[in-house]
Amino acid sequence: DVVMTQSPLSLPVTPGEPASISCRSNQSLLQSNGYHYLNWYLQKPGQSPQLLIFLSSDRASGVPDRFRGSGSGTDFTLKISRVEAEDVGIYYCMQTLQTPHTFGQGTKVEIK
Amino acid sequence: EVQLVQSGPEVKKPGESLKISCKGFGYDFSGYWIGWVRQVPGKGLEWMGIMYPGDSDTRYSPSFQGLVTISADKSISTAYLQLSSLKASDTALYYCAAGDFYYFDYWGQGTLVTVSS
Repeated sequence: DVVMTQSPLSLPVTPGEPASISCRSNQSLLQSNGYHYLNWYLQKPGQSPQLLIFLSSDRASGVPDRFRGSGSGTDFTLKISRVEAEDVGIYYCMQTLQTPHTFGQGTKVEIK
Repeated sequence: EVQLVQSGPEVKKPGESLKISCKGFGYDFSGYWIGWVRQVPGKGLEWMGIMYPGDSDTRYSPSFQGLVTISADKSISTAYLQLSSLKASDTALYYCAAGDFYYFDYWGQGTLVTVSS
């Protein structure tokens, strides 16, 4: 299985400030078509996960542009340009290049 | 509006079986992949498997192969997750999710399964 490793696992943030989460895979997520099969989900407290970013850098419908996904190969990053209070929750990266699709451990983002 | 509505919470005894349902609304049920994700209380997300209702193409995680069965009834836009020989360690929240094979756009509300003697 492809192993996904996120850091940090806990991220206290200040509203209005930027935040960044790293996700690494133990093998490249680049497909021959040029796409990286890496998604980001946010699970807000008490809610189901919601898709933020797919194919490494494409924002899902309705996702604010303060969320930006980037990266290549085995290293990926989710950046929030200016954190808002509603952004708290657990962020998961997920690879879908190979089955079984696998998630990172999650990064808990909370307000300082 | 796309919605996935899952069946309600369940309490089962060890060794029993269970079938959870997930009904899709507002989209072409046969044309989107449906997957199942497990979340043990307080823990992360685990991908269990995925199915394309249009042709019943199904893939399982090796961690769950033989322990669960994913199925669907296109006529009523409903997917199912069957869990067999339940153990206490199967106590978890089970989510269905729909979308492309490579990412899930839509998620159900989750079904809490508690296994206890």
